[in-house]
Amino acid sequence: GQNIDQPTEMTATEGAIVQINCTYQTSGFNGLFWYQQHAGEAPTFLSYNVLDGLEEKGRFSSFLSRSKGYSYLLLKELQMKDSASYLCAVVDSNYQLIWGAGTKLIIKP
Amino acid sequence: DTAVSQTPKYLVTQMGNDKSIKCEQNLGHDTMYWYKQDSKKFLKIMFSYNNKELIINETVPNRFSPKSPDKAHLNLHINSLELGDSAVYFCASSVRTSGDYNEQFFGPGTRLTVL
Repeated sequence: GQNIDQPTEMTATEGAIVQINCTYQTSGFNGLFWYQQHAGEAPTFLSYNVLDGLEEKGRFSSFLSRSKGYSYLLLKELQMKDSASYLCAVVDSNYQLIWGAGTKLIIKP
Repeated sequence: DTAVSQTPKYLVTQMGNDKSIKCEQNLGHDTMYWYKQDSKKFLKIMFSYNNKELIINETVPNRFSPKSPDKAHLNLHINSLELGDSAVYFCASSVRTSGDYNEQFFGPGTRLTVL
C-alpha cells in the first residue's frame, strides 16, 4: 500500500527554527509537495521537490532524498502566523497525489 | 478574480436529503478534484476528473457523484445524506501534464453539517 508519515503535532518558539519530517512509501515517485493549511482555510502550495537536495524559498526550505523516501520542511525565523498544519503529498506513478495526514505546528511566543 | 470558487461555503441539512456543491475554476486547468477533510483534518481524495477520465476513489460511496457540465466546472452531488458525511469538502484544480508537476489550487471549502 501507499503510505505517508508525518508527526501529528509539533511545538516551537517564535523566532526559532523547526524541521517537519515526512517519510513515504508509494508506488512510483514523480515529486513531493508541501502545502500549508491554516485552520478553517484551504491548503496553499509551499514547495515542490522532484530531485534530491534542498530547495530554498525565503524562510522556508524543503529537502528531498528519494533513496531514503524522506523529505523535510524547514521553517526559519518562526512567526506566529506560521501556526498551521503542514501537509506532505507525493505524486505517484499514476500522477495521483497521495496526501499525508498533516503536521499541526503550534508557535509559542 | 477568484481562481477556484465553491458554493455554498456552509451547508446545513437533514439526514436523507440530497444536496449539491458547486465548483468553478477560471485557471484554464484541465483536471479538477474533490477532497473530503474530516474532523481529524485528514485530506482524502474522492474524485479526480478531466474531460477524458474520471478516477474514483473506490472507498467513496456511490451516493457521491461528480458532475461536470464543462471543463471549468465540477459539481459534487450527494444523495441520501448521512451523519458521517459531515466534513469540509474542498474542490481543487491543476494542469495534468505528464512529466511536469501538477500543483493543485484549492477552493475555500464547503463545510457540510448533516443533522
